[in-house]
Amino acid sequence: AQKITQTQPGMFVQEKEAVTLDCTYDTSDPSYGLFWYKQPSSGEMIFLIYQGSYDQQNATEGRYSLNFQKARKSANLVISASQLGDSAMYFCAMRRWDSGTYKYIFGTGTRLKVLA
Amino acid sequence: DTEVTQTPKHLVMGMTNKKSLKCEQHMGHRAMYWYKQKAKKPPELMFVYSYEKLSINESVPSRFSPECPNSSLLNLHLHALQPEDSALYLCASSNSEKRNIQYFGAGTRLSVL
Repeated sequence: AQKITQTQPGMFVQEKEAVTLDCTYDTSDPSYGLFWYKQPSSGEMIFLIYQGSYDQQNATEGRYSLNFQKARKSANLVISASQLGDSAMYFCAMRRWDSGTYKYIFGTGTRLKVLA
Repeated sequence: DTEVTQTPKHLVMGMTNKKSLKCEQHMGHRAMYWYKQKAKKPPELMFVYSYEKLSINESVPSRFSPECPNSSLLNLHLHALQPEDSALYLCASSNSEKRNIQYFGAGTRLSVL
């Protein structure tokens, strides 16, 4: 069965420090996509970063980078130089093909709190 | 521009009411999604429309009725809801030409009394 696992329900990080949020996935599909989203308390889901299964290099978007280890089936999010505004829920998600369209499976999320 | 617009932002309705949620995108995306999210949980997929046709219904009760009038617009019609249907309803869209990255609206917070 295809599954996303986020084992850290909550994390704390000091402002300006780096933090890694863990995500492991399980799929037998050779082609898939992995995503990270940020959800502040306001509720909107904000796309952060994408990694395709065939991408040779780890994805980076500003202060966000994705540590993609395909053999270990992990796709950890690294946030560098944390800011107070980074405090939010973070979801890892995987895209898969189903019934002629794409479906997205979400992990249970990690709540990040940045400390001043 | 990666904007998905959802209205209303908040909705309170009684169990006998009929209401609709609206979602709009002008990014040319051909897949649109409805999700339900309870507090402190991940989003749960409800419906997927692909090229304006319903392609996935995740066994959602018939009191939720989706509609895709055109490629930019997605509605969710609500009728005879239960208090347990109170949740954040998120709309999203994606496009195969843009790595199928799913972009979300800000959601509608629904309370059923």
